[in-house]
Amino acid sequence: GAVVSQHPSWVICKSGTSVKIECRSLDFQATTMFWYRQFPKQSLMLMATSNEGSKATYEQGVEKDKFLINHASLTLSTLTVTSAHPEDSSFYICSATRGTSGRGEQYFGPGTRLTVT
Amino acid sequence: QKEVEQDPGPLSVPEGAIVSLNCTYSNSAFQYFMWYRQYSRKGPELLMYTYSSGNKEDGRFTAQVDKSSKYISLFIRDSQPSDSATYLCAMSARGNNRLAFGKGNQVVVIP
Repeated sequence: GAVVSQHPSWVICKSGTSVKIECRSLDFQATTMFWYRQFPKQSLMLMATSNEGSKATYEQGVEKDKFLINHASLTLSTLTVTSAHPEDSSFYICSATRGTSGRGEQYFGPGTRLTVT
Repeated sequence: QKEVEQDPGPLSVPEGAIVSLNCTYSNSAFQYFMWYRQYSRKGPELLMYTYSSGNKEDGRFTAQVDKSSKYISLFIRDSQPSDSATYLCAMSARGNNRLAFGKGNQVVVIP
């Protein structure tokens, strides 16, 4: 159990357009979902934390108007990169936690590679 | 000082050798400790999860936590080429799902 999917797995878009990435927990209800960004050969950088039905909490330095996060249900969170620019090209990964135990286990999706031309 | 330190230096070992990875941390509130395996261009996969000090074994993998020294380790016995990946340590405090990650260790197992 604890499978998380992401769609699409990779996307290429033109500068100035918006891109939506979906994150789904397939076999559990995810009370909290996280969005990360990862650059080549670097660790994960947390962008925001989202709880179902409430506004996302963004990390310092992450533009909330550029990276729109919606956690509409216990199994789905979306990240929309608005007015994308080449510097937004990166590997975006979501994760989810089960329940409210606060034990820290996060289950990660396979990631979405975004290339902005 | 970063919360979690993990020497990112690539590690190459021959097939069948024991791989030893470790992380140190500074936050004494951390109680949950994880090791994730990440293959290239994939999301991290939860490999081992331990709570507080002690050892946990799962097949060829052993995770150790020494809270008094703020030090955690992962051992991989009889390493296989399929173990070639980046290994990330991660930890969190009670009641806080937010994870603090190490930089990751790239491991290459040579056939």
